[in-house]
Amino acid sequence: EAGVAQSPRYKIIEKRQSVAFWCNPISGHATLYWYQQILGQGPKLLIQFQNNGVVDDSQLPKDRFSAERLKGVDSTLKIQPAKLEDSAVYLCASSLSGSSLRGYTFGSGTRLTVV
Amino acid sequence: AQSVTQPDIHITVSEGASLELRCNYSYGATPYLFWYVQSPGQGLQLLLKYFSGDTLVQGIKGFEAEFKRSQSSFNLRKPSVHWSDAAEYFCAVGANSGYSTLTFGKGTMLLVSP
Repeated sequence: EAGVAQSPRYKIIEKRQSVAFWCNPISGHATLYWYQQILGQGPKLLIQFQNNGVVDDSQLPKDRFSAERLKGVDSTLKIQPAKLEDSAVYLCASSLSGSSLRGYTFGSGTRLTVV
Repeated sequence: AQSVTQPDIHITVSEGASLELRCNYSYGATPYLFWYVQSPGQGLQLLLKYFSGDTLVQGIKGFEAEFKRSQSSFNLRKPSVHWSDAAEYFCAVGANSGYSTLTFGKGTMLLVSP
């Protein structure tokens, strides 16, 4: 079974630039999550999708972050404009359904450095 | 709201010695519990998980964890640590109802001395 795919693997941008990350979940997984992991900390949930609808985006900084999952499959997370404190690893995860967490699987992540 | 506490930021263990990493959670009902390991520059690897049933859970790489409801704990153990076990370990809790997600602790960095 293919895992959760993320790209790019690494990205370096200057502050105030924009950046986008892509995630393709495991086939058949209805729920998709984006996490932010700052160095030395545990991952923090940014947004959760159930199919193409948003379930929880309470911790997403909506003034600069946006995410979409238009067809209920792959997803894009965007930051515009980036700040230095956005330097982190952005992890995508998926699960069979949001109510069970079964099959919960993380991708390898995108490491963002903002300079 | 659910939360996780990993009270030890760093732990140093001699190679071959036993290991126990502590995890305490806060959640109103029986939670889903997970342990992940992360090596530097790498992604999260699932070690084991507890959903229901037997409270002693076996995982990969010789790790096990025990769910203790009375203590709200899910401590990770290994009888004999190898140098390759040096990494950061994260405990996570998820709700078992509604639209659930994982809440992570801040992690424990394991150092293995020769």
